[in-house]
Amino acid sequence: QVQLVQSGAEVKKPGASVKVSCKASGYTFTTYGICWVRQAPGQGLEWMGWISPYNGNTNYAQNLQGRVTMSTDTSTSTAYMDLRSLRSDDTAVYYCARHYYDDRGPQYPFDYWGQGTLVTVSS
Amino acid sequence: DIQMTQSPSSLSASVGDRVTITCRASQSISRYLNWYQQKPGKVPKLLIYAASSLQSGVPSRFSGRGSGTDFTLTISSLQPEDFATYYCQQSYSTPLTFGGGTKVEIK
Repeated sequence: QVQLVQSGAEVKKPGASVKVSCKASGYTFTTYGICWVRQAPGQGLEWMGWISPYNGNTNYAQNLQGRVTMSTDTSTSTAYMDLRSLRSDDTAVYYCARHYYDDRGPQYPFDYWGQGTLVTVSS
Repeated sequence: DIQMTQSPSSLSASVGDRVTITCRASQSISRYLNWYQQKPGKVPKLLIYAASSLQSGVPSRFSGRGSGTDFTLTISSLQPEDFATYYCQQSYSTPLTFGGGTKVEIK
């Protein structure tokens, strides 16, 4: 069965970086895109960007450009999200999710999600 | 960016009620509209995709309609396990965007 298993909770100081992993199983990793979505405490869902494990192409949310890098390791079917220069408002649960895509882009729903990783940014 | 506006932001309903949630896009998104359910402390779950297609395993009391800019999610007979927050999401173009959510509470 399809599973996305994320790394554990992190506590970071402002200005630091965090790298969250998302290990996929139960499907052909390069066939689906991986997006990252975050949710601040008590708030809604925010799309951060997505990556194609097939060719490494990425598309990031404008407000995170320059601070976020998404990558994949196809040998281990793992996706990574690296967020730098952390601020207190980056405190959130970070989710990876799978979605199909085609030449027109990620126009398909997020059908499987990781369990979420809480990242707390605090001095 | 395409803005997604949900209404209401919250509602109170009783078991057995028919509930409808509205989602409006700031521009036409054809039928690239998905609905998710999230319970407290849990992962979002896909309910409806492409405006009206029911995800496998989702009860038939959930239905979706709409195209262009206006969409609805209807729960025909609210069950105790349906009390949750519901989000719409457009997958027409990046940045992909979510509505603000509708919290369905017990009356």
